[in-house]
Amino acid sequence: AQSVTQPDIHITVSEGASLELRCNYSYGATPYLFWYVQSPGQGLQLLLKYFSGDTLVQGIKGFEAEFKRSQSSFNLRKPSVHWSDAAEYFCAVGAQNAGNMLTFGGGTRLMVKP
Amino acid sequence: GAVVSQHPSRVICKSGTSVKIECRSLDFQATTMFWYRQFPKQSLMLMATSNEGSKATYEQGVEKDKFLINHASLTLSTLTVTSAHPEDSSFYICSALTDYGYTFGSGTRLTVV
Repeated sequence: AQSVTQPDIHITVSEGASLELRCNYSYGATPYLFWYVQSPGQGLQLLLKYFSGDTLVQGIKGFEAEFKRSQSSFNLRKPSVHWSDAAEYFCAVGAQNAGNMLTFGGGTRLMVKP
Repeated sequence: GAVVSQHPSRVICKSGTSVKIECRSLDFQATTMFWYRQFPKQSLMLMATSNEGSKATYEQGVEKDKFLINHASLTLSTLTVTSAHPEDSSFYICSALTDYGYTFGSGTRLTVV
């Protein structure tokens, strides 16, 4: 079965600082990997996704993520955080042969200090 | 493109009543719809997968008689919480798989009093 771990429940960074949110997955084959952002009481917005090809994926709002098969990781990065980036971030893994369902990590709440 | 409209966004109901949540695909045909539940400050947990014209597949531990899912058309899937109780209070989100990936509804905050 597929699973996703986000080791950091909360992260606080200063505005303008760089950010890295960790995501580790468990799946037997090449997974489909996603990062979503959720503002309080809202639905999910896709930041970026990885299906195949270049392991460094660019997303919206200046985010990027790198797929590292050897480490089973798909960490999300941003070089300079803005106060509006404060939200909950979810990493998710999907697979073609798992009924196309997504499995979500526990989420990381990002707080941004002025 | 690939928008899923979810209604209502918020609902408060009395214990013992039923609540219906709708998810409509506005510009595509949703063959498969996923229903998730999210408790406060927790992640999304898949409840069930519905396929148009067939019975939904429920995840282990989810009561299918309590959470009725109907996917009678390619543009509409509904989740009905029957005989709701306070412990059913949660955030419910639907998601559809499209040619462009997964698209999510905006969620429904259910509060049972």
